[in-house]
Amino acid sequence: EVQLLESGGGSVQPGGSLRLSCVASGFMFSRHGMNWVRQAPGKGLEWVAGISVSGTTFYVDSVKGRFTISRDNSKNTLYLEINSLRAEDTAKFFCAKDDGYIQFGNWGQGTLVTVSS
Amino acid sequence: QSVLTQPPSVSAAPGQKVTISCSGSSSNIGNNYVTWYQQLPGTAPKLLIYDNDKRPSGIPDRFSGSKSGTSATLGISGLQAGDEADYYCGTWDSSLLIGMFGGGTRLTVL
Repeated sequence: EVQLLESGGGSVQPGGSLRLSCVASGFMFSRHGMNWVRQAPGKGLEWVAGISVSGTTFYVDSVKGRFTISRDNSKNTLYLEINSLRAEDTAKFFCAKDDGYIQFGNWGQGTLVTVSS
Repeated sequence: QSVLTQPPSVSAAPGQKVTISCSGSSSNIGNNYVTWYQQLPGTAPKLLIYDNDKRPSGIPDRFSGSKSGTSATLGISGLQAGDEADYYCGTWDSSLLIGMFGGGTRLTVL
């Protein structure tokens, strides 16, 4: 059974940093692209970043230069380093396994990031 | 504001059919597969449709998808109370090299 377990969220002040993790199990992690999707309270889904099998990374414009997606295949873990946090970054962050472009058959339960002074 | 445009809400009576549209452009829907997700309150999204019109195992055939040009449509027939949820379309944009979702459509079963 595929499982994705996010962690690392929390409450931080504007300008702060966090590192989110997503531990994967139940599938060959190294053979799948992975993504981060966020959802602000009461709002819709927003694709944030993706990383391919080869390590190529993609970001939505609003997070370029502030967020870094990475993966450690030896640990079956996906990361999202988030810096220079802003109030508008407050959201639940989901990791999602890629089975095709934006074909996310498996999601984690999400980890909440709250940016507030 | 999302690049993919969905109606904010749709509604229909139990047993009826409803369609949800998703409009994009040639760089996204026009040249890539479309996916559809259902999100029940407080839960992670669930994949309903992939590759425009394919259903993952376990998704009933009441759910259908189609694509024409730069638009896609999700159809839900035989509406049930349990179908009340938010629905999102998604695709890749080949010019911007980013993923994207529509703004979401809330389905109300009257």
